[in-house]
Amino acid sequence: DTAVSQTPKYLVTQMGNDKSIKCEQNLGHDTMYWYKQDSKKFLKIMFSYNNKELIINETVPNRFSPKSPDKAHLNLHINSLELGDSAVYFCASSPGQWDQETQYFGPGTRLLVL
Amino acid sequence: AQTVTQSQPEMSVQEAETVTLSCTYDTSENNYYLFWYKQPPSRQMILVIRQEAYKQQNATENRFSVNFQKAAKSFSLKISDSQLGDTAMYFCAFEANSKLTFGKGITLSVRP
Repeated sequence: DTAVSQTPKYLVTQMGNDKSIKCEQNLGHDTMYWYKQDSKKFLKIMFSYNNKELIINETVPNRFSPKSPDKAHLNLHINSLELGDSAVYFCASSPGQWDQETQYFGPGTRLLVL
Repeated sequence: AQTVTQSQPEMSVQEAETVTLSCTYDTSENNYYLFWYKQPPSRQMILVIRQEAYKQQNATENRFSVNFQKAAKSFSLKISDSQLGDTAMYFCAFEANSKLTFGKGITLSVRP
């Protein structure tokens, strides 16, 4: 059984479009995250939700809007896609919101904006 | 703000030999955690090992061990008996206040 899953795995789209990436975890964790890995493989946190509430929001353009319908799901919606949004997006989860907890990552979604 | 530095962009090791990947970090936090993650060509992020900063004993997981030097803010990963399946990108990461900060990663190639 997949612990943290993401759909789709690949997403190719045109500039200006709106797209969503879905994430689900079946680990019973309270906290979920979105990370972006750019073309140089640098990984940076974008958002973190604990029990459906936003707790970390890094300086991400407001075209990116995370939505957590319940604590097992954290979706990422991106409006007006730009070329620079091309990256691999990783979802992760951890048991709570305390420091000592390991984060478990999903398989990533490769987004290509043409 | 925390920073994590992995100064070596890539390394190569012969199968069955030992290799050490270096990592340094900078923080004013007292309570934090350090991790090494592996990212093979499949792109999956896989936890290799973690170290609690309050523990003096270095963490070990089978062939993987760390050399944690808190005063020097150094956290290196030693891979013993390297295997072809160890070929991957390795990321050092620091966690404090629920936020994981990654280094730029190092590409490790294991030669047969």
